[in-house]
Amino acid sequence: GAVVSQHPSRVICKSGTSVKIECRSLDFQATTMFWYRQFPKQSLMLMATSNEGSKATYEQGVEKDKFLINHASLTLSTLTVTSAHPEDSSFYICSARDGSRDQPQHFGDGTRLSIL
Amino acid sequence: QQQVKQSPQSLIVQKGGISIINCAYENTAFDYFPWYQQFPGKGPALLIAIRPDVSEKKEGRFTISFNKSAKQFSLHIMDSQPGDSATYFCAALIQGAQKLVFGQGTRLTINP
Repeated sequence: GAVVSQHPSRVICKSGTSVKIECRSLDFQATTMFWYRQFPKQSLMLMATSNEGSKATYEQGVEKDKFLINHASLTLSTLTVTSAHPEDSSFYICSARDGSRDQPQHFGDGTRLSIL
Repeated sequence: QQQVKQSPQSLIVQKGGISIINCAYENTAFDYFPWYQQFPGKGPALLIAIRPDVSEKKEGRFTISFNKSAKQFSLHIMDSQPGDSATYFCAALIQGAQKLVFGQGTRLTINP
């Protein structure tokens, strides 16, 4: 089946550091990728939708200058958390949609970000 | 109108029992209803999904029941096993819009 790979799985870094998270679709071309944030014991909150070759669409309340999204190819999207602070600590999950068929989103295994 | 309401928030079931999780929605434009299973520290994995033109879909021990007139759908897990202990999310999608709308999640615990 379809696989989405997310890297790294865990990041611990100091406040003020910028952190990049990669999301790759391994066996299909993902015309659209999604980035979610999940707090403990809560549901997934959509942060932004990215389409290959165009600017990401951010959900209301999500700072686009804080969370930079790049979707440069049909198999790779990146999320950069710029100048991260402790309140940015969370579980970040990407998903990808197979544009060739009417498929549901396939999710990565998430990145646990901890800002000290 | 974009919300999907899920209940219960947590559920404890004995091994071999039936686990039932319910969801309700308002937007009649939703046309795809998946259920996801999430283990701690992992991303959600698609479990089973249904479209509104059928009232029930079964895959192994997992069944979705769909009531279009009531705008409700539910997940039934038959012969629940300790390995089924996880958080379950219902979701809804308007196919053309792509965005998934998630329920609040149900933490299921199956006691051995």
